[in-house]
This record gives sequence, structure tokens and C-alpha cells, in this order.
Amino acid sequence: EAQVTQNPRYLITVTGKKLTVTCSQNMNHEYMSWYRQDPGLGLRQIYYSMNVEVTDKGDVPEGYKVSRKEKRNFPLILESPSPNQTSLYFCASSPSGTWGETQYFGPGTRLLVL
Amino acid sequence: TQLLEQSPQFLSIQEGENLTVYCNSSSVFSSLQWYRQEPGEGPVLLVTVVTGGEVKKLKRLTFQFGDARKDSSLHITAAQTGDTGLYLCAVNTGTASKLTFGTGTRLQVTL
Repeated sequence: EAQVTQNPRYLITVTGKKLTVTCSQNMNHEYMSWYRQDPGLGLRQIYYSMNVEVTDKGDVPEGYKVSRKEKRNFPLILESPSPNQTSLYFCASSPSGTWGETQYFGPGTRLLVL
Repeated sequence: TQLLEQSPQFLSIQEGENLTVYCNSSSVFSSLQWYRQEPGEGPVLLVTVVTGGEVKKLKRLTFQFGDARKDSSLHITAAQTGDTGLYLCAVNTGTASKLTFGTGTRLQVTL
């Protein structure tokens, strides 16, 4: 089944404790992206990647890192999480990153930073 | 300020009713997408509208792109409980598939 998977689905952590949220897609997509979703603010893009080893900042990249060493994986790294990074995170992928093509979203990771 | 303003923010209706939700902006866009997000899941693309004045139908859902390409509407006929969810509009605001989303309309359809 074609899908985007994220792990973990739920995570509670404390301020400053490094964490990684994994994202994997099995559709051989070139383009992958991370979003955060907050009440009243909607979905905002954190980082995106057009291809392996190519990443770029979205609208809200502060406090986050990403890497794209393989086509299928695009982990999101929070080196020193803070409470304002408590949010619902979504990974997405699409075939080539061309506007108008379908972006496939993962099921989301709900993060609570205490 | 939000690039895309969606209204209403919340809508609770009974099954069988009709409804319309709106996505408005002061900017002009080459195209616009509508997504539906169900609880505990990621958004799912419903439609992309690309031409001013375009109307697209997806079963009981009718999508319209404004003539000036600044706004869009989604009309649902005879709503069903399965239509419950968060409806999001989105536009491309930069390179590649950089999506900017509206804040959404949360629809609750009850029996």
C-alpha cells in the first residue's frame, strides 16, 4: 500500500531533550516536506526537500533540522525542544514537487514538550 | 494576517442540509487546492482548480474558483455524517510544492 508513515505518533518529552521524528514514504517520491499544525494558525511548512541531499527552509524552520540521505526517509530533528514546539506535525511527499500534483500526508505526530 | 481567510471557522449542521464554505484572499493565485482532514489523519487532496470561474464537481461536493482567482467556495449538497472534518484551502506561494494553507473550516454533520 502506497503510504507515508511517521513515528512516533505521540510523544511527550521535556525541554532540551533532543528528539527525532521519522518519516518514510514507499512511493519513490522526489519531494518531501514537514508541516506543523496549530490551532488558529493552520498548517505551516517547516522544511522541504526536492531530492536527496537537497533541503530548504519553509516558513517556520527555527528550532528544527532535517536531513535527506535517502529518497524514502526525511527525519525531523529537534535538537533542543521548547514548549512552543508543542504541536501536531505532518510529513508529506509528492512525485516531483510540481505544483498541482497530489501531496500525500502522513498520519501526524502529536508532540508535547513540557 | 492570514493569506487565506476561511469562513466560517466552525459549522454544525444536520444530515441532509446543504452548506457552503469560503476561502478568500486579496491576492491572485494561479490555482487553488481544497483538502479534507479527518480527526487523527493528515489532509487529503480533494480538488485543484486552475481557471478563473472554474467549477468542479466531486459527487455531492461542488468547488468554484472565483473569476478573479482570489477566492473559492466549496458547496456540499445533502451533507452526510461522513463529510465531517476540517476543510482546508491551499495555494502555492513559492518554489516547488510549497503550500500555504488557510486556517480551515471545521464541519460537524450530525444525524
